[in-house]
Amino acid sequence: AQSVTQPDIHITVSEGASLELRCNYSYGATPYLFWYVQSPGQGLQLLLKYFSGDTLVQGIKGFEAEFKRSQSSFNLRKPSVHWSDAAEYFCAVALNTGGFKTIFGAGTRLFVKA
Amino acid sequence: GAGVSQSPRYKVAKRGQDVALRCDPISGHVSLFWYQQALGQGPEFLTYFQNEAQLDKSGLPSDRFFAERPEGSVSTLKIQRTQQEDSAVYLCASSLATKQETQYFGPGTRLLVL
Repeated sequence: AQSVTQPDIHITVSEGASLELRCNYSYGATPYLFWYVQSPGQGLQLLLKYFSGDTLVQGIKGFEAEFKRSQSSFNLRKPSVHWSDAAEYFCAVALNTGGFKTIFGAGTRLFVKA
Repeated sequence: GAGVSQSPRYKVAKRGQDVALRCDPISGHVSLFWYQQALGQGPEFLTYFQNEAQLDKSGLPSDRFFAERPEGSVSTLKIQRTQQEDSAVYLCASSLATKQETQYFGPGTRLLVL
């Protein structure tokens, strides 16, 4: 069955430090991959997506992610974290099965310390 | 322009009551999705509409859950005879076209069943 794994339930980084959030997926074909951010009381906001082509994708707010087929991974990175980045981050896979059903990981909560 | 809106934002129901949750997608968006997000979890797919057609309802947890989108715009998720395990945030998302595009999420309806 298709699944998305985010191994880290929560991560704490210092402001200005670099960030990497891990995501692994299980899916037979090349998936559509997404990273969303959810701040308290806010809806999910798309950070970036990968459909095909260049495996390094740039997103909003200075985030980027790299698709590695051999590792079934799509890790999210940011070179310098800001306090406002504290939120819940979700990796997601969309299945090209007509309905484009999207499967989300359990999320990683990011804490930023001053 | 206006984003996806959902109402009510909060709903408290007594166990056994029926509830109806409304989603107003972005005008012109063909695809509409419902997700259920339990506390501390990622969103879980419930159902998908393309215009008024419900093409995938594989995620609906039981026959107490019913969704409709009769005119291809506004959608309603109905839960009959609510149970405590139905307590969650219900998210609606819409996207422009039938092929996979960015999903825009509403703020969600937080349902608490007592």
